[in-house]
This record gives sequence, C-alpha cells and structure tokens, in this order.
Amino acid sequence: AQSVTQPDIHITVSEGASLELRCNYSYGATPYLFWYVQSPGQGLQLLLKYFSGDTLVQGIKGFEAEFKRSQSSFNLRKPSVHWSDAAEYFCAVGAESGGSNYKLTFGKGTLLTVNP
Amino acid sequence: DAGITQSPRHKVTETGTPVTLRCHQTENHRYMYWYRQDPGHGLRLIHYSYGVKDTDKGEVSDGYSVSRSKTEDFLLTLESATSSQTSVYFCAIRQSQTSPLHFGNGTRLTVT
Repeated sequence: AQSVTQPDIHITVSEGASLELRCNYSYGATPYLFWYVQSPGQGLQLLLKYFSGDTLVQGIKGFEAEFKRSQSSFNLRKPSVHWSDAAEYFCAVGAESGGSNYKLTFGKGTLLTVNP
Repeated sequence: DAGITQSPRHKVTETGTPVTLRCHQTENHRYMYWYRQDPGHGLRLIHYSYGVKDTDKGEVSDGYSVSRSKTEDFLLTLESATSSQTSVYFCAIRQSQTSPLHFGNGTRLTVT
C-alpha cells in the first residue's frame, strides 16, 4: 500500500528566507506525486504535480519540487518566502496502476508559519 | 473551486441521528472522493467512486455509506452519527487517473 510521510509537523521561517518542506513516499511502482496548500478555513489548492519526465517541476506561487527516486522523496522548495505563504502544506501520492486503485494518499501535513 | 459544491457548509447534529452530506460537480468528472480532515491526521479517505454506481471503501469507511446515482452527485451518509465523526469533510473530483484532485470548500460537521 502507498504511504506518505511528512517529517516536519510545524516549520517557522522568516519572510524572505528560503523554504524546503520534506515529503517521503512509499510505493512500489512509479508514483504520481502532488503538493497541495490549504489556508485556514479553505479547501486544498494544487501547487504542483509530478507524473513523469523532468524531475524538477515548477508550480504556482513560485514553488518547485524535485522528485528523487533513489531517496523516495518529493521535497517542496521556494527560494524566498512571503508572509502570504503561511498555510498548511500536504504531499500526496497516487498510483500508476489501473484496476480499482484510484486513490490518493495524503501525508499529515506541515504547518508553515512565516515571521515578519 | 473547479465546479464543486458541498452542502451543507456547516451542520450540527445529535449523536445517533443520520446525516447526509452532498457533493455536486459540474465538471462531468468520472472520479469523486470523500475525505475527512482532523488535526494530526491530515486527510483520510472515506469512500470514493470511479463511476455511476461504482464505489469503494477508503481507509476510514466504518460508519459511513455513499451513493452515486448520477455523475454529478456523490452523497455521504453517516448512518448513526457519533462524536468521533465530528470533522471537516471534503469532497474532491478527478478527471482521470493521472489528473490531480480538485477539492470543494468542505463541510464542517459537529456531532453533539
């Protein structure tokens, strides 16, 4: 079964600093990987996705993520954080195979606090 | 939000009563999902549907049932609500197996 681990429950960074949020997945085949962001009281918004090809993917709001198969990781990065980036971030993994395995599995999330 | 409407947005109900949450989409997507979100647990899949009348259980399906009689609607029923089912419930849709999920704005359910 697929699983996702986000090792950091809560991260605090200063505005303008760089950011890296960690995501490790467990899945036997080639995974589909996603990062979502959730602001308080809101639904989840897709930041970026990886299916195949270039292992460095660009997303919205200046975020990028790198797929590293050897490390089973899909870490999210941003070179300079803005106060509006304060939110909760979720990594998710989906299955490549067909049949009835249409599920996405989410990590428990990382809460990002941005200090002025 | 990608043509997804969840209703109601908020509900307070008593233990032991049945509750039905509705998810309506205007995107004609094949796949629909119900997740619950709780502090410290992230999002956990309750049930999902891969077509009309085709549904399957997720990881936390006990105490919940679903129905999908037409493409646009996916109903989640709590057969007899318990306090442990107090949560925020999110519906999501997906166009294909390689597409990302698109989420509704959630339903906050409180069981007293």
